[in-house]
Amino acid sequence: GAVVSQHPSWVICKSGTSVKIECRSLDFQATTMFWYRQFPKQSLMLMATSNEGSKATYEQGVEKDKFLINHASLTLSTLTVTSAHPEDSSFYICSARDTHTDTQYFGPGTRLTVL
Amino acid sequence: TQLLEQSPQFLSIQEGENLTVYCNSSSVFSSLQWYRQEPGEGPVLLVTVVTGGEVKKLKRLTFQFGDARKDSSLHITAAQPGDTGLYLCAGHNNAGNMLTFGGGTRLMVKP
Repeated sequence: GAVVSQHPSWVICKSGTSVKIECRSLDFQATTMFWYRQFPKQSLMLMATSNEGSKATYEQGVEKDKFLINHASLTLSTLTVTSAHPEDSSFYICSARDTHTDTQYFGPGTRLTVL
Repeated sequence: TQLLEQSPQFLSIQEGENLTVYCNSSSVFSSLQWYRQEPGEGPVLLVTVVTGGEVKKLKRLTFQFGDARKDSSLHITAAQPGDTGLYLCAGHNNAGNMLTFGGGTRLMVKP
């Protein structure tokens, strides 16, 4: 089946540093990818929709300058958390929509801990 | 914004019991999906329902899509400890370009 990978799976960083998370569709092309954030014991909250070759669309309340998204190819989207603070600590999950089947597949998530 | 409300939020039952999780909205969805998520992992798709009134079965799990495509239910028969996890419903809007998640139901099945 279709696979979406995320890297890294777990990252710990100091407050003020920037962290880049990669999301790759391994065996299909994804014109559209999605970035979600999940706090402990809560559901997934959509942060932004990433379209290949164009600017991402951010959900209300999500700072685009803080969460930089780059979808430079049909198989890769990156989320950079800039100047991370402890309140940015969360589980970040990406999802990729197969361009041909429209099916959306989820990555395994990246746990970010900001000290 | 289309909202999905899941109930109950948390459920703790004994092995062998039956349970039903509900997913309700005032909005119509073109399709609705159910996911199961384990701690530290991404959600895993269980089923997609598309047609109003549709019923799908996956072993001991029965999924139903409401006639008006505004609600759905997940029924688990004879729950097992391995069913423990976070169950999420998610609906696609009519344009099919956005997936909205419900709040999730955390299920714990005790042996």
